[in-house]
Amino acid sequence: NAGVTQTPKFQVLKTGQSMTLQCAQDMNHNSMYWYRQDPGMGLRLIYYSASEGTTDKGEVPNGYNVSRLNKREFSLRLESAAPSQTSVYFCASSDLIRGRVNDDEAFFGQGTRLTVV
Amino acid sequence: EDQVTQSPEALRLQEGESSSLNCSYTVSGLRGLFWYRQDPGKGPEFLFTLYSAGEEKEKERLKATLTKKESFLHITAPKPEDSATYLCAVHPMTTDSWGKFQFGAGTQVVVTP
Repeated sequence: NAGVTQTPKFQVLKTGQSMTLQCAQDMNHNSMYWYRQDPGMGLRLIYYSASEGTTDKGEVPNGYNVSRLNKREFSLRLESAAPSQTSVYFCASSDLIRGRVNDDEAFFGQGTRLTVV
Repeated sequence: EDQVTQSPEALRLQEGESSSLNCSYTVSGLRGLFWYRQDPGKGPEFLFTLYSAGEEKEKERLKATLTKKESFLHITAPKPEDSATYLCAVHPMTTDSWGKFQFGAGTQVVVTP
């Protein structure tokens, strides 16, 4: 049982380049998330997906696009990378279902360390 | 505006020296409060969820408590393997906040032998 798998683990981009971060979960969870983590700022939500085909902006969505390809996969795309997007990116999933309180804890991947030069 | 503040930012403990971490929050209603542990270079790992004031949960040397304005994570007789960053997150009650967990910046705990 792999849980949440992110690829790649490390990436260096030049300013203006594009790339897609991949995320897959094998826990049959409905909800998936993309966060970025910067020193001293904690985890900030980029995008949230409640189910296949639905996405919602989080706190810091500018410069990013997402795609919920199916129930398992949720990708994050940087169309034109900027140095301000240097960060550690985490994908997560949970069994959060609207109207139900329990089973809402998130399971995180190992992260992608992205450097934009 | 919803806000989550953790204190202290860093905590250095001797093995066996008990202490508490604080997570204070200002949200318009609370669906749940979560504690996670994060080791260097890894993703956060779930510890506890608390849903209502007065609720307490325990796991080994860790105990989490919740009031209407804050949560505490008590570490009793810590061991070096308890060294990690502890993150607090809240799930606000407002309709447009569904699924949008808000994290604090974390408390980095170092336990020395």
